[in-house]
Amino acid sequence: GNSVTQMEGPVTLSEEAFLTINCTYTATGYPSLFWYVQYPGEGLQLLLKATKADDKGSNKGFEATYRKETTSFHLEKGSVQVSDSAVYFCALSAFYASGGSYIPTFGRGTSLIVHP
Amino acid sequence: DSGVTQTPKHLITATGQRVTLRCSPRSGDLSVYWYQQSLDQGLQFLIQYYNGEERAKGNILERFSAQQFPDLHSELNLSSLELGDSALYFCASSPRGDPSYEQYFGPGTRLTVT
Repeated sequence: GNSVTQMEGPVTLSEEAFLTINCTYTATGYPSLFWYVQYPGEGLQLLLKATKADDKGSNKGFEATYRKETTSFHLEKGSVQVSDSAVYFCALSAFYASGGSYIPTFGRGTSLIVHP
Repeated sequence: DSGVTQTPKHLITATGQRVTLRCSPRSGDLSVYWYQQSLDQGLQFLIQYYNGEERAKGNILERFSAQQFPDLHSELNLSSLELGDSALYFCASSPRGDPSYEQYFGPGTRLTVT
């Protein structure tokens, strides 16, 4: 079946450091890929997305490129802030032929802690 | 604020009981998704409804059921509750059933089964 693998956290960085959170996926066909962020006590909110190979999603200084050849969608940010401390989820939506529908699949989440 | 509302915010109940969680999607959104988030399983997709019809089914137990009403709000029914059902349950909505659309998540309902 489809799956998403994220690097385990927590990732601890100092303010203004460079961030990379790795995400690889397994899926048939051409899934849509997403990064969501969850702040404490809140629901998930979309950070960025990409719907086809080589697309780059970007938002609030974060970016990720859909790499079909390496089945990856790594999240990067050049200079993190304390306010970026949250849990980040990589996700995909792919077609399940057996069920005849698109199923969303989320990674386990990576906690990011940014110190001043 | 995503525009998605979920009630109740917290629910504490005993094993064997039945509970109903309610979700109101963003205005105009036709699709509703339900998820279960727990420490050991992560975020698991349960079920999706689109304009009143079941669209996709994930890891939903037979003890769980859901429906979407004509006004597009949705309810998730959990019965014969077990300790392992304790989790955060999220509802999300999307304008359409297209998988490339983003989902807007509600704040969640925290269920504790004792």
